Amino acid sequence: QQQVKQSPQSLIVQKGGISIINCAYENTAFDYFPWYQQFPGKGPALLIAIRPDVSEKKEGRFTISFNKSAKQFSLHIMDSQPGDSATYFCAAVTGNQFYFGTGTSLTVIP
Amino acid sequence: EAGVAQSPRYKIIEKRQSVAFWCNPISGHATLYWYQQILGQGPKLLIQFQNNGVVDDSQLPKDRFSAERLKGVDSTLKIQPAKLEDSAVYLCASSVRPPWGTQYFGPGTRLLVL
Repeated sequence: QQQVKQSPQSLIVQKGGISIINCAYENTAFDYFPWYQQFPGKGPALLIAIRPDVSEKKEGRFTISFNKSAKQFSLHIMDSQPGDSATYFCAAVTGNQFYFGTGTSLTVIP
Repeated sequence: EAGVAQSPRYKIIEKRQSVAFWCNPISGHATLYWYQQILGQGPKLLIQFQNNGVVDDSQLPKDRFSAERLKGVDSTLKIQPAKLEDSAVYLCASSVRPPWGTQYFGPGTRLLVL
């Protein structure tokens, strides 16, 4: 059973555009929601994370929007760049349990 | 600061053979994780260590997988015997403290079981 549902599976965006990746969960015990970026041949790297007591967190061009009532959260990449082309994973954490989404392959076209 | 080291980077074996992976976490990181990442999927936690003790191994197929972290530093993950469905990337990660400490991932070991 997939604890975290992520969409879309793949995304193609023009340079300068906005990339949006969505995740949804059911378990209300989750209390930490990180996003990871993974380049081919590399391990995932933490990009940005949010706790459920805030609705939005912004770091540079990356923003997490969190909707606690809908049990959804999303990653927005503003002014997308070719260097952002990677696979993005959302995750949900409760206690020691980390659950990752299935990933979104982002391609930013120059 | 050196990152998480893993070896080997690639391994090809036949089914029913045994294989072992090694991980050296970032110095000072008490928590170590092993994940399995099947192609097209997100990482799945196999086992988590806090120092040299197991915190969570609920998703580790214990009939064929084993892991240890001697002296609370390096760790090895073993598969014996391997099955075709074990083909995946095995990622090691470490963090200063769970659960919200940032996890730093190694490059992974890509295993192909034929």
